[in-house]
Order: sequence, then structure tokens, then C-alpha cells
Amino acid sequence: KQEVTQIPAALSVPEGENLVLNCSFTDSAIYNLQWFRQDPGKGLTSLLLIQSSQREQTSGRLNASLDKSSGRSTLYIAASQPGDSATYLCAVIDTGNQFYFGTGTSLTVIP
Amino acid sequence: KAGVTQTPRYLIKTRGQQVTLSCSPISGHRSVSWYQQTPGQGLQFLFEYFSETQRNKGNFPGRFSGRQFSNSRSEMNVSTLELGDSALYLCASSLAATNAYEQYFGPGTRLTVT
Repeated sequence: KQEVTQIPAALSVPEGENLVLNCSFTDSAIYNLQWFRQDPGKGLTSLLLIQSSQREQTSGRLNASLDKSSGRSTLYIAASQPGDSATYLCAVIDTGNQFYFGTGTSLTVIP
Repeated sequence: KAGVTQTPRYLIKTRGQQVTLSCSPISGHRSVSWYQQTPGQGLQFLFEYFSETQRNKGNFPGRFSGRQFSNSRSEMNVSTLELGDSALYLCASSLAATNAYEQYFGPGTRLTVT
């Protein structure tokens, strides 16, 4: 069964700092990987989708990379802002189109 | 384009009752998936419907069921509620194209079982 782990579980950084969130998965037979953010008590907002044939995706200050062979993905956030404070979740999509979510990283950006 | 909508947003029920939650996907999306989110277990997949057929199912008891209508709207039903069913229930929709399975989530329904 696919297991997805995110490290660290929580992270606190000063505003303006660049940071990296990690996601690892046990089964490399994935279709896609998607990064989300979740604000307290709210649904999930899609940030980036990386297809299995891709190595990375970029959107504004966000860059996500995927290394299927090692079972890892990273989300890089440049020049962090207080509005980036949220929980970040990664999800891998297997070839059966089932989503497996990580445990999340709770990010706090301190003004 | 309107996003995924879920109703109701909040619900309080007592043990033993049943509940029905509703999800309206983004226009044109044919796949709807349901998830349960709890602090202890995180996000867990319940089931996915595509063109009115259940295509995938997670590891939940038969008390959890769902259906999808011809307009792609979906409902989820939980019978004989237990305290442990208290959670945020999220639905997500997607085009379900073979090369882009990006999911878009609704705001969720917060279910409290007392």
C-alpha cells in the first residue's frame, strides 16, 4: 500500500526566507503528484500538479520537483510571506487514479 | 467558473442517526471523489464516482455510501453514525482526463456526532 510522508510536520520561518517542504512516497508507480495548501477549517487549494513524465512545475514563487525513482518530491517557496501560512499537503495519484495524501506540513511565516 | 460547492457546511447529529451530504462539482467535471479528514488519521479516501458509477473505493465500512447523478452532482450517506465519524468531509471534482487528474476541492462539510 502506498504511504506518503511529509517532513517536517511543522515549520516556522521569518518572512522573506526561502524554504523547502519534503514529501516522500513508498511506491514509485505513480501517475501524478499534486501539492495543496489548506487553511484552517477550509478545503484544499491546488497549488501544482506534476505529471509522472515531468521533473518539475513552477507557479509564481512556488516550484515543485519530482524524483520518482527515489520516491521524493519537494515544494520550494521563495521569499515567504505571512499569507503563505497554512498546512501544505502532497498527494500521489497511483495508476488506478487513487489519491494518497501525506500527513501535511504546518507552515507559519512570522512577520 | 464556479468552484466545487458542498452543502451543508456544518452539521450536528447524534449517534445512530444517518446523514446525507451533497457535492456539486465544477461544471464539466465528471469525476467526484469524497474524503474524510480527521486530526488523527489525516485525509482518507472514501470513494470516487465517474459518470454515475463508483470507480474506486477506500477502506471504509459499508455504512458509508454514495451516489452520483446524471448531472455529476454527488451525495454521500453515512448511516448509523458513530462518534468517530466526526470529521471534515471533503469532496473534489476533476475532468478525469487521462493525462491531467488535477483535483479541485470544495470547502467541506464539518460533521459533528454527539
